[in-house]
Amino acid sequence: QKEVEQNSGPLSVPEGAIASLNCTYSDRGSQSFFWYRQYSGKSPELIMFIYSNGDKEDGRFTAQLNKASQYVSLLIRDSQPSDSATYLCAVNIPPGNTGKLIFGQGTTLQVKP
Amino acid sequence: GAVVSQHPSWVICKSGTSVKIECRSLDFQATTMFWYRQFPKQSLMLMATSNEGSKATYEQGVEKDKFLINHASLTLSTLTVTSAHPEDSSFYICSATNLRQGARETQYFGPGTRLLVL
Repeated sequence: QKEVEQNSGPLSVPEGAIASLNCTYSDRGSQSFFWYRQYSGKSPELIMFIYSNGDKEDGRFTAQLNKASQYVSLLIRDSQPSDSATYLCAVNIPPGNTGKLIFGQGTTLQVKP
Repeated sequence: GAVVSQHPSWVICKSGTSVKIECRSLDFQATTMFWYRQFPKQSLMLMATSNEGSKATYEQGVEKDKFLINHASLTLSTLTVTSAHPEDSSFYICSATNLRQGARETQYFGPGTRLLVL
């Protein structure tokens, strides 16, 4: 069974620190990886996607992908209280391009002022 | 870009009535739309996948006769909850993606619809 695993948390970090969110996936054929942020009571919003091994940076966010280890992470630098939310990792379902994604359970991040 | 809207944002209805929820992609063509349901403190649960002009594909355990999905155009999909009951009360969220021209599976979510069945 195809799976995406995340630690549910909560992960608590002080304001200004780096938050590190991790995700593992089971299907070696997956090629597309996404991070979504979901505030309480709201729908998910896309933060970043990554397709290639290595790091991808966008502002305070850095996504890291290691396909050999089947591991994808999201780093949030200079964490702010407004970053407090649930972060969902999502991975495509091969083969083919059906558009379907598998979502992890999400990690709740709490940034303390 | 990549804006998805949903209407209505809130619905309160009596048990036994049917409720229609619209999902629109405002600035792109959505070849595929997805419908999710989310209960409090739980993760997203995919209900069905709809491709423009074809029948929806439902996930295991989702009743297709209860949750009617129509994807008549590249910008609109509708979910109708037929004969709604209190256990159908949930947060319904759609997402849209464009899979043409080799595009990746990036899903853009609508703001969601809260359904409360009394």
